[in-house]
Amino acid sequence: DTAVSQTPKYLVTQMGNDKSIKCEQNLGHDTMYWYKQDSKKFLKIMFSYNNKELIINETVPNRFSPKSPDKAHLNLHINSLELGDSAVYFCASSPGQGAYEQYFGPGTRLTVT
Amino acid sequence: GNSVTQMEGPVTLSEEAFLTINCTYTATGYPSLFWYVQYPGEGLQLLLKATKADDKGSNKGFEATYRKETTSFHLEKGSVQVSDSAVYFCALSDRIGNQFYFGTGTSLTVIP
Repeated sequence: DTAVSQTPKYLVTQMGNDKSIKCEQNLGHDTMYWYKQDSKKFLKIMFSYNNKELIINETVPNRFSPKSPDKAHLNLHINSLELGDSAVYFCASSPGQGAYEQYFGPGTRLTVT
Repeated sequence: GNSVTQMEGPVTLSEEAFLTINCTYTATGYPSLFWYVQYPGEGLQLLLKATKADDKGSNKGFEATYRKETTSFHLEKGSVQVSDSAVYFCALSDRIGNQFYFGTGTSLTVIP
């Protein structure tokens, strides 16, 4: 059984387009996250949601908008895609906020041309 | 504030060599510490964790001990295998601030 799943796994699109990445977790966790991993493997947190409420919103362009329809889903919508948005995006979940380990999805490799 | 510092890679070792990847942290409270592993083309997986000082986390032959006096959580393995080739991330979880902090990752390549 897949714990944290993301779709699509690969996404190739042109500059200026709008795209979405979906994430679902079946672990019953309360907290979900989006991370961006660049080509040097550096991980940067983008957003954190707890029980569908936004908790962390790091310095991310407002072209990125997360949506949590329920606590098992956290989707990421990106408007007006730019070349610099090319990266691998990871969704993660944890039982709650604080000192809990996080469980990661397989990642979505976004390539903007 | 909180932060995690990892030794820079890449690290290349021969099979059966001893591995150490250094990790030190800065924290205002009493964090939990983690090592994650990312195999090529995959997401991060929890490798081991420790929740308080002097705890030792271990898994798949890897070990790390939470050292409060040196604020360190170094990852060790006695005999690496080719299948251990991956990127390793040290991480800290702050109970008070409800944040998770990752190191920059250390790439390990094990050659036969």
